[in-house]
Amino acid sequence: QQQVKQSPQSLIVQKGGISIINCAYENTAFDYFPWYQQFPGKGPALLIAIRPDVSEKKEGRFTISFNKSAKQFSLHIMDSQPGDSATYFCAAGRSGGSNYKLTFGKGTLLTVNP
Amino acid sequence: DTEVTQTPKHLVMGMTNKKSLKCEQHMGHRAMYWYKQKAKKPPELMFVYSYEKLSINESVPSRFSPECPNSSLLNLHLHALQPEDSALYLCASSLPGAKNIQYFGAGTRLSVL
Repeated sequence: QQQVKQSPQSLIVQKGGISIINCAYENTAFDYFPWYQQFPGKGPALLIAIRPDVSEKKEGRFTISFNKSAKQFSLHIMDSQPGDSATYFCAAGRSGGSNYKLTFGKGTLLTVNP
Repeated sequence: DTEVTQTPKHLVMGMTNKKSLKCEQHMGHRAMYWYKQKAKKPPELMFVYSYEKLSINESVPSRFSPECPNSSLLNLHLHALQPEDSALYLCASSLPGAKNIQYFGAGTRLSVL
């Protein structure tokens, strides 16, 4: 029940295309859904996050879509650039109390070809 | 400023060595975390400190010993490690009211020979 399933495992997109990464969760107590971007040899960087009271959040070229009834959320990268090539992790967490844990998806390696 | 600073960036140690990893943040965050990350895997939580007190220990072997000297510093003391402990060790921090908004450092790449 604590799992977050992420797909695809890897993704190749042409420059200017749209990259889409999907995640699904089981635990309905999750109420915070961040996405992290990680370049090789670096730590994960918080990219964008959403709470279940909204269905979509956009920051620049990055958009999170959230479907509470389906327990799914996805990251869309518009106009993908070679500099977006990285590993992307979705995650889910619970706010309140002593809930410090984030449950991570297994990651998606995105390659954007020039 | 959302910077979490980790030192050293790289560390090579033998199985009998004692070494320490250091993490520092000046964002006023009162929760600090240690994660271990193997190649092509997500980060795995090891320890959580909240207000300088150990809050979570994810059944980590005793050869890893965390310490939180103050609200800005977090250490991870290493002793008698095994080659399978080689990994990227990440520190993260978060505000008390936003525990899940975690900011990560760049990590320490540890190799155990």
